[in-house]
Amino acid sequence: DTGVSQDPRHKITKRGQNVTFRCDPISEHNRLYWYRQTLGQGPEFLTYFQNEAQLEKSRLLSDRFSAERPKGSFSTLEIQRTEQGDSAMYLCASSFVNLEQGKLFFGSGTQLSVL
Amino acid sequence: SQKIEQNSEALNIQEGKTATLTCNYTNYSPAYLQWYRQDPGRGPVFLLLIRENEKEKRKERLKVTFDTTLKQSLFHITASQPADSATYLCALDTSNYQLIWGAGTKLIIKP
Repeated sequence: DTGVSQDPRHKITKRGQNVTFRCDPISEHNRLYWYRQTLGQGPEFLTYFQNEAQLEKSRLLSDRFSAERPKGSFSTLEIQRTEQGDSAMYLCASSFVNLEQGKLFFGSGTQLSVL
Repeated sequence: SQKIEQNSEALNIQEGKTATLTCNYTNYSPAYLQWYRQDPGRGPVFLLLIRENEKEKRKERLKVTFDTTLKQSLFHITASQPADSATYLCALDTSNYQLIWGAGTKLIIKP
């Protein structure tokens, strides 16, 4: 399977706990994006990396959210002190800049439920 | 502020007919626009991209138009099939290959 993979597919946690999600992009892609999506809405941009550099982070993103992409390969998204409002689908996508004008390849997402 | 609007209500179409979905935007001049399909519990899947200097793009049963004067894109599925039932999202580029997304339109194809 050469697509974008995300782990876990589902995560249930209690309010106040920390959670970490992993994304493995398509290997030759140099850009990696994290989005959040709630029911009935389009994906909401969180952050993106070009290679290992985090180039942009949403101004709406709480300081409880942090993302890393060591060595420009896989990425992790951590949410600290989770709140019920963090419940959503977290989507990872990758692309190759300068090819296909930023066409994105998405993973299946991690569905987070905060109780 | 930049705004993208898609039909918020589900679109019900009889199998075999053409489904037409609308994407309108304001306060923006994108260089290109993309359409994605999303099934429940899955990530979006890329379908078509159309550039600002292109009026129409086709791929098999799919057709996209882009009217920069009206600030509107139309997405057509001809000879629709129940397997085409899904949510369809439009997305517009910002600077540096960033995308902003509509909320999507749920399409239901009835046998």
